Amino acid sequence: EDQVTQSPEALRLQEGESSSLNCSYTVSGLRGLFWYRQDPGKGPEFLFTLYSAGEEKEKERLKATLTKKESFLHITAPKPEDSATYLCAVQRAGSYQLTFGKGTKLSVIP
Amino acid sequence: DAGITQSPRHKVTETGTPVTLRCHQTENHRYMYWYRQDPGHGLRLIHYSYGVKDTDKGEVSDGYSVSRSKTEDFLLTLESATSSQTSVYFCAISTTSGGTDTQYFGPGTRLTVL
Repeated sequence: EDQVTQSPEALRLQEGESSSLNCSYTVSGLRGLFWYRQDPGKGPEFLFTLYSAGEEKEKERLKATLTKKESFLHITAPKPEDSATYLCAVQRAGSYQLTFGKGTKLSVIP
Repeated sequence: DAGITQSPRHKVTETGTPVTLRCHQTENHRYMYWYRQDPGHGLRLIHYSYGVKDTDKGEVSDGYSVSRSKTEDFLLTLESATSSQTSVYFCAISTTSGGTDTQYFGPGTRLTVL
């Protein structure tokens, strides 16, 4: 059974204080690992797909990295508008289904 | 935003009544999905469709049925709603690029079953 565990559950940062969110996963043959951002009352918004260990992707203040067992979402010099819940999901090879973690709620304080 | 709309956006109903949620897409995507999101749980797949009249069960399909009579619409039906089905429901479509499918989500429907 595929499993995704995200930590911490909640993270509170001062504006400009860089940090990382963790996504640990267990899957039989990874097809892709996905990061989403979700604002309150809205649907998840796609951020990144990572395919293989060693891969990195960046978008503005966010950088996602992938190893064989976990992925990190690094947030550099965050701003209050980065406050959201960040979701991680995995897709197994040969499947169209995603398995999601419970998310990390990030709060960036001015 | 992948051209996905969901209706209704909010609904309150009573236990035992049937409820149908609609997902509409405008970009002719083949794959469509229904998820539910509850506190303390990740998004969980209910059903998905890989074409007109082609559907399959997900992780939490009990108590739900789906139909897809045309490409653009994917309906989720609760035959007899229960309080445990109070949740936020998201529809998603997937696009394929570079051998991987990326799912894009709609705005959600908040359903309350009293």
